Amino acid sequence: DGGITQSPKYLFRKEGQNVTLSCEQNLNHDAMYWYRQDPGQGLRLIYYSQIVNDFQKGDIAEGYSVSREKKESFPLTVTSAQKNPTAFYLCASSKEHRGGVFSTEAFFGQGTRLTVV
Amino acid sequence: KNQVEQSPQSLIILEGKNCTLQCNYTVSPFSNLRWYKQDTGRGPVSLTIMTFSENTKSNGRYTATLDADTKQSSLHITASQLSDSASYICVVRNSGTYKYIFGTGTRLKVLA
Repeated sequence: DGGITQSPKYLFRKEGQNVTLSCEQNLNHDAMYWYRQDPGQGLRLIYYSQIVNDFQKGDIAEGYSVSREKKESFPLTVTSAQKNPTAFYLCASSKEHRGGVFSTEAFFGQGTRLTVV
Repeated sequence: KNQVEQSPQSLIILEGKNCTLQCNYTVSPFSNLRWYKQDTGRGPVSLTIMTFSENTKSNGRYTATLDADTKQSSLHITASQLSDSASYICVVRNSGTYKYIFGTGTRLKVLA
């Protein structure tokens, strides 16, 4: 069954800890994205990757890091430098980043809710 | 500045009624506009996509319109069902930066 899978669904982080959110897709998409969703705000781009071994900062990259060692995987690490990490994190993928209309439709995972305790 | 504004912020309607959600954008240059449905605690799912040349597109009980001149879009839901209760997000793609600009969404509640 093709799709994009995020894990875990819920994650709790202690102050000063780094945590890693998993995102895996089997859609054979080149582009992958991480967004953060906060109440009353639109989704904000953290990082994106157009191809394996390449990624770019989005609008709110500070305190986050990513890797793209495999086409299928794009994990996001929330570091201790991120001062307000409590949020709903969404991973998405698209066939291409700069392609035509239908090749750039973003398919989203089910999200990970991160809470600082 | 590239922005997407949606109205109303929230809406409550009775099952079986129709409703219309609005999206105004200032994104330029414009590539396309998508409407997503997001159930609480879940990821968004695409409903429709509109390109510059399209005025109306339907997907079942959902009908989206686009006026590229006034930079406005609407999503009309016909004969609402309880399962329509969700947030509806308007997303516009900038063809220069390739970025998606997300609206804050309209939270729809359908009551029995």
